[in-house]
Amino acid sequence: EAAVTQSPRNKVAVTGGKVTLSCNQTNNHNNMYWYRQDTGHGLRLIHYSYGAGSTEKGDIPDGYKASRPSQENFSLILELATPSQTSVYFCASGDARGRPQNTLYFGAGTRLSVL
Amino acid sequence: GDSVTQTEGQVALSEEDFLTIHCNYSASGYPALFWYVQYPGEGPQFLFRASRDKEKGSSRGFEATYDKGTTSFHLRKASVQESDSAVYYCALGTGNYKYVFGAGTRLKVIA
Repeated sequence: EAAVTQSPRNKVAVTGGKVTLSCNQTNNHNNMYWYRQDTGHGLRLIHYSYGAGSTEKGDIPDGYKASRPSQENFSLILELATPSQTSVYFCASGDARGRPQNTLYFGAGTRLSVL
Repeated sequence: GDSVTQTEGQVALSEEDFLTIHCNYSASGYPALFWYVQYPGEGPQFLFRASRDKEKGSSRGFEATYDKGTTSFHLRKASVQESDSAVYYCALGTGNYKYVFGAGTRLKVIA
C-alpha cells in the first residue's frame, strides 16, 4: 500500500530559528509536494518536485526552501521561522506516468507552532 | 493562475439528508478534477476523479459530474450518514502535475 511518512508529527520552534520538515515515500513516485493547511485557505502548494535533484516553486513559496536528495525523500526548510508559518503541513506523492489525473497520496501531517 | 472555489465553508445536515457541495474551477487547458476527503487527525485521501467533460466520478455513494461549460464539479450524495462527517476538498490537476485545492468544506452530520 502507498505510504507517505512525515516527521516530526509535532514541532514547536522559536521565531528566527531553522526548521526542517521531512517526508519519506515508499511509493516509488516521481512527484512530491508540500502543502500547508489553514482554516479558510484549505491546502496551499508551497513547493513540489519532479524527481531527485528537482524543486519547483508552488503558489506560496516565500520563506520556504525545499530539497529532494533522493526519489524517496523531500524536505521543507524554514531558514528563519516566523509565527505566520504556524500551520499544519502535508507532504504528498504522486505518480508522474501518464496524464495528470493521478491520485495524490498524503502523509498524516506535521503540526508546526512558531512562538 | 489556476484556482478552485468551494462555496460552502461549513455544512450541517441530519442523517439521510441530501448533500450538495459546490465546486467551481478556473484553469487554462483541460484539467483533471478530484474530490478528496479528510478525517480528523489524518491527511486528505482520494475519493474520486473525472478527467473529461460530462464524465461522472463516484465512490461510497458520492458523485460529481465534470461540466466544462459551467466549470463545475459539484459533490452530491443522496443520503448522508454520521460517518460522512469530514472535510471535503475539490481539486484540479494541471498538465505539469501541479494540483490546486479549494478551501475545503467541513461537513457535520447529526444523527
